[in-house]
Amino acid sequence: ETGVTQTPRHLVMGMTNKKSLKCEQHLGHNAMYWYKQSAKKPLELMFVYSLEERVENNSVPSRFSPECPNSSHLFLHLHTLQPEDSALYLCASSYRVGGELFFGEGSRLTVL
Amino acid sequence: AQTVTQSQPEMSVQEAETVTLSCTYDTSESDYYLFWYKQPPSRQMILVIRQEAYKQQNATENRFSVNFQKAAKSFSLKISDSQLGDAAMYFCASGGGADGLTFGKGTHLIIQP
Repeated sequence: ETGVTQTPRHLVMGMTNKKSLKCEQHLGHNAMYWYKQSAKKPLELMFVYSLEERVENNSVPSRFSPECPNSSHLFLHLHTLQPEDSALYLCASSYRVGGELFFGEGSRLTVL
Repeated sequence: AQTVTQSQPEMSVQEAETVTLSCTYDTSESDYYLFWYKQPPSRQMILVIRQEAYKQQNATENRFSVNFQKAAKSFSLKISDSQLGDAAMYFCASGGGADGLTFGKGTHLIIQP
């Protein structure tokens, strides 16, 4: 069983769709993160949760809505996305905020 | 605030040779950590090596070592005896603050057989 699991691995959606990305960590970590990875750009930190409370929201558009129901699960709810939102979305966890990250394999999102 | 700069978009090295990837950073944190991550074509990012800023000794993990120059805010990665499996994107990152790690743009490492 891998440490951080993301589903789905691939997602294609229209601009009017609503979908969700799921992340689950089996490492007993206290912090979870969503990063966006686009070509030719650094990883962009989107959201940080520590002990299920959001501690960081880097000016992310409201069409991205995170949810952290417990310390093992993290969701990213998507609605009315734009084509420029197409990217690889990486989930990560760490024992504490700012510490070493353990990543999932990512969810490749394509917005048509 | 933290920034991480990787000035080499792509590097190429012959198998069995040594290659050094560059990274510079800036941080307002007094206690921080530096990392090198590897992202193979299968996409999962994995940790290569970690350096605590308060430690003067450079970190080493088998064929991977760093040259940490704190005053210059430089954190380069040296890969010795390069292998085909080392081909990947390499990301330098800094952390230790109240949020997640800050990453550079990455260096694409090509291993020539």
